[in-house]
Amino acid sequence: EAGVAQSPRYKIIEKRQSVAFWCNPISGHATLYWYQQILGQGPKLLIQFQNNGVVDDSQLPKDRFSAERLKGVDSTLKIQPAKLEDSAVYLCASSSYNRDLNYGYTFGSGTRLTVV
Amino acid sequence: KNQVEQSPQSLIILEGKNCTLQCNYTVSPFSNLRWYKQDTGRGPVSLTIMTFSENTKSNGRYTATLDADTKQSSLHITASQLSDSASYICVVSRNTGKLIFGQGTTLQVKP
Repeated sequence: EAGVAQSPRYKIIEKRQSVAFWCNPISGHATLYWYQQILGQGPKLLIQFQNNGVVDDSQLPKDRFSAERLKGVDSTLKIQPAKLEDSAVYLCASSSYNRDLNYGYTFGSGTRLTVV
Repeated sequence: KNQVEQSPQSLIILEGKNCTLQCNYTVSPFSNLRWYKQDTGRGPVSLTIMTFSENTKSNGRYTATLDADTKQSSLHITASQLSDSASYICVVSRNTGKLIFGQGTTLQVKP
């Protein structure tokens, strides 16, 4: 079974520039998550999609971050303009939609963003 | 407040030794508790998942325990290997499906 695919793996940009990350979840997983993981900390949920609808974006800095999942499959996360404090690993995860134990919750390898 | 606290923050052990990582949580309502291993530069990989009724679960040299009464969990690593060097993250799932992450314990195994 293919895992969660993310690209790019690394990105270095200057502050005030824009950047976009892409995620392709496991086939059939209706739920998709974007996390921000700052070095030395646990992942922080930015946004959760159920199919193409947003379930939770309460911690998404909406003045500069945006995300979409137009067809309910792959998703993009954009930062515009980037700040130094956005330097982090951005993780995408997907799961099957049920409340049982076997969520199938799987993370991608992440995109490491460095803002200079 | 829903929180997951892990200890120690970091740990250094010699290859072949055992170690135990701790996780305390105040998450409610509880659904399940997961331990993840995260290698540097990689996404977290699931080691174990335990529900309320499970006290212990093993995955090779990794054994997780859960005490739902005291809201504590531990991850025991037996006969550590250099490849065990990673961050270990305790994650508690609410019955809404939302995951609450701990800060992680960074383990370094030295030869």
